Amino acid sequence: GEDVEQSLFLSVREGDSSVINCTYTDSSSTYLYWYKQEPGAGLQLLTYIFSNMDMKQDQRLTVLLNKKDKHLSLRIADTQTGDSAIYFCAEHRDTGRRALTFGSGTRLQVQP
Amino acid sequence: EPEVTQTPSHQVTQMGQEVILRCVPISNHLYFYWYRQILGQKVEFLVSFYNNEISEKSEIFDDQFSVERPDGSNFTLKIRSTKLEDSAMYFCASSLGPTSNQPQHFGDGTRLSIL
Repeated sequence: GEDVEQSLFLSVREGDSSVINCTYTDSSSTYLYWYKQEPGAGLQLLTYIFSNMDMKQDQRLTVLLNKKDKHLSLRIADTQTGDSAIYFCAEHRDTGRRALTFGSGTRLQVQP
Repeated sequence: EPEVTQTPSHQVTQMGQEVILRCVPISNHLYFYWYRQILGQKVEFLVSFYNNEISEKSEIFDDQFSVERPDGSNFTLKIRSTKLEDSAMYFCASSLGPTSNQPQHFGDGTRLSIL
C-alpha cells in the first residue's frame, strides 16, 4: 500500500527542539522528503534522506529514519517563530508510481 | 536560486467554464508535475510530463484535464467544464530527472475557486 501518516499539530516554545514524526507503509520507498509550507506559500524543499541511511543532519535540521519500523522524524533545533508552518513528509519510490506521496502535514506552532 | 513560478496566484471561475493554470519550471529541469491540495486534505499527485508527453497520471486526472508544454518555458494544466469539487490549490513542480534522488521543486501554487 501507499499511505503516509503524520500527527496534525505540534506546539513548542521558542528555543526548544521540535520533533515532527511520520510513518510510511511502502517498503519500496527509496527517498523520503520533508517540505515546509508557510501560510499562502508553496512547498519548500527542506531536506531528504535515502532509505539506506539512518540519519542526516543539515544545520538545525536532523532527519532520523527507522526503516524497520518505517518511521521518519524531523528534528528542528532551537526552534524559532519563523519555523511556524506546516511540515509535510513525502515518500518517493523508484518502482511503480514515481510521484511523491504526501502525508497530511503537521502544523508547527512556535510560542514566543 | 532558480524557482518554479505559477500564474495566476488566485483564479476564480464559474462552474462549467474552462480554466488554464500556468507554470514556468526551472529552466534545466526535464520533468514536470501537477499536484493539487483540496482544502484540509493531502497533497495529491495528478500528472507527470516528460519529453512532450504524459509519463504518469493518477485516477484523478481524467478526460477533464489536459497538460501541455506550448513553448520552451511554459507548462500548463487545462481543466475543462470545471466543477465545484475542482476548487483546490494546484501546485506545479519540476525536477532534473524522474528518480527519487532528484528532488521535485514546487511553485507557490494557484488557488482555484469554482463558483
